[in-house]
Amino acid sequence: DTVLTQSPALTVSPGERITISCRASETVSTLVHWYQQKPGQQPTLLIYLASNLDSGVPARFSGSGSGTDFTLTIDPVEADDNATYYCQQSWNDPFTFGSGTKLEIK
Amino acid sequence: QVKLLQSGAALVKPGDSVKMSCKASGYAFTDYIIHWVKQSHGKSLEWIGYINPYSGGTNYNEKFKSKASLTVDKSSSTAYMEFSRLTSEDSAIYYCARWSYGGYGAYWGQGTLVTVSS
Repeated sequence: DTVLTQSPALTVSPGERITISCRASETVSTLVHWYQQKPGQQPTLLIYLASNLDSGVPARFSGSGSGTDFTLTIDPVEADDNATYYCQQSWNDPFTFGSGTKLEIK
Repeated sequence: QVKLLQSGAALVKPGDSVKMSCKASGYAFTDYIIHWVKQSHGKSLEWIGYINPYSGGTNYNEKFKSKASLTVDKSSSTAYMEFSRLTSEDSAIYYCARWSYGGYGAYWGQGTLVTVSS
């Protein structure tokens, strides 16, 4: 299975620019997607196909990457961004998710 | 608007089965594939498999092939997942999601909490 490794938890202040990384154990082309999950809620889609912003998602969020290395950027971070962020690949079967990056806003 | 409404929490005994539902509304049910995802407490997400509501065709993660069974009822726009021979390892929240053609979950249900306990 394709393993997606995400950067560890982050603690930041509002207004900062942050990046969350997602590295795949094998190429996944650009079929990587990012989700936000707040405590007690279902995941919601932020970015699809590596760099496309889902409808209604603030432009503070952006994604980039291809092959094995992907990045989610939030600039600037706001208090409401307190959540866990997951990447997911759909290039290889089975689909897999990263372990999640917990973002804490001071 | 697109909605996926999942059935309520279930408390089941080890060795039993559980069947949960995911009722879709706001779109043509047979136009999009429904996927199921497991999230154990405090942990990441695991893809279980998907069903094509139009054809009934399925694809399972090898890990869940002997555990999960996916079906649909087109007349009620409802997808079902049955999980069998439950153990404590199956205690988790299970989500259904409407996948888009690029391979991502654009819409998610609110989740069904399954607790396996004697």
